[in-house]
This record gives sequence, C-alpha cells and structure tokens, in this order.
Amino acid sequence: DTEVTQTPKHLVMGMTNKKSLKCEQHMGHRAMYWYKQKAKKPPELMFVYSYEKLSINESVPSRFSPECPNSSLLNLHLHALQPEDSALYLCASSQEDGSYEQYFGPGTRLTVT
Amino acid sequence: QQQVKQSPQSLIVQKGGISIINCAYENTAFDYFPWYQQFPGKGPALLIAIRPDVSEKKEGRFTISFNKSAKQFSLHIMDSQPGDSATYFCAAKSFGYGNKLVFGAGTILRVKS
Repeated sequence: DTEVTQTPKHLVMGMTNKKSLKCEQHMGHRAMYWYKQKAKKPPELMFVYSYEKLSINESVPSRFSPECPNSSLLNLHLHALQPEDSALYLCASSQEDGSYEQYFGPGTRLTVT
Repeated sequence: QQQVKQSPQSLIVQKGGISIINCAYENTAFDYFPWYQQFPGKGPALLIAIRPDVSEKKEGRFTISFNKSAKQFSLHIMDSQPGDSATYFCAAKSFGYGNKLVFGAGTILRVKS
C-alpha cells in the first residue's frame, strides 16, 4: 500500500483565518514532505521532515508553519495567508530522506479570499 | 545545473498512437529518473522510474528510454488511450540526505478518441 491521505480536500479561508492541513501515511516512512503546486506548474518543495524533525525549510514565509506530531502524521498550519497562496498543497512521503521513491497524496485545494 | 528540461509543453495524440515526452538534465550526480502522472485535481502518481545502469525500462504500455551520454531520457506511451490524458512530469534525483526531487516543467497530454 502506497497511500498518503490528506484532509480536507478543499479549503476556502479568509486572510485573517487560521486553518490546518493534515497528512497521514501508514507505510512506515520516516520522511515526509510538503509541496505547493500552482496550476500548470510542477510541485515546489516547501518543507522536509526526517524522523519527525524539520530538516529542510525552503525559505517558506512564516505564515506557513509545519508540524510533525508523530511518524505517521504531518500538519501544515496556516495563518494570515495571502490570495497568492491559493494553490494545491501536496503531502508526500518516502522511506527515508534521500530515498528515491516519493509517494504523493491527493492534495488539498486551498483558496484564500 | 539542477534543472530538468522537459518538452513538449503540450501534446495531442490520436487514440492508439505513440506519445513521446522528452527530458534532459545537466547534473551528472542524478541517479534516479522517475515519471509522474497527474490527473486534474489529484496528486502526482509515480508511474515508472529508471536508474542509469539500464537504457530502457518497460511497464505495460509505458517505456522509459535513457541515454546516459546525452543526459536525456524519455517516456513512450504505446497504444495511447483517452484515459492517459493527464499532465506528465519527469524528475531527477540523487540518492542521499537532503537531495531533492527536481521536476521538469510538465507536459499536458491529450489523447483524442
């Protein structure tokens, strides 16, 4: 089973709201990733967690705050977002940070109004 | 040097035809070359991947051809079907902690019935 699940599927939020995106995998993977994907563009890496510790932050604005509560869960906390943050947010996982295969979830379609 | 160049941007193929998407890279440290298939509103799905020790890998109707000396690889979809209509991303990666998956720009494939 190579399933990564994400909730919610769709999210509409105002610029003053606080919301969270959730990601879960039960493959025993120790690396988890957040990507942002704009329409007709490839995914852009935001954060990497390795063994529940943040290992890479691709200079993402602080209005995005990742959290890894345990080895199966990954959250992305959102606060004071801008309309240009509207995108598909993808979670992915791999056996380890540095492993070849990455498996993506279905994404959360975020709209900031 | 981290770029992966993908062409064409879009492709229209008749049902039953062969779809060919090409990618080129510069970084000789890359040693893993996956293709992802993404349907609208879904996350990218790992389709097929190749390591540079082989020149071709086939899985069903999907074949990767790899030319190490030219630093190019391509995806061939034989007997293309309307259900293959999607965006295809090539990518490249080198094994190891902190090494990221580098995506091409994507190709939108439409298979006409």
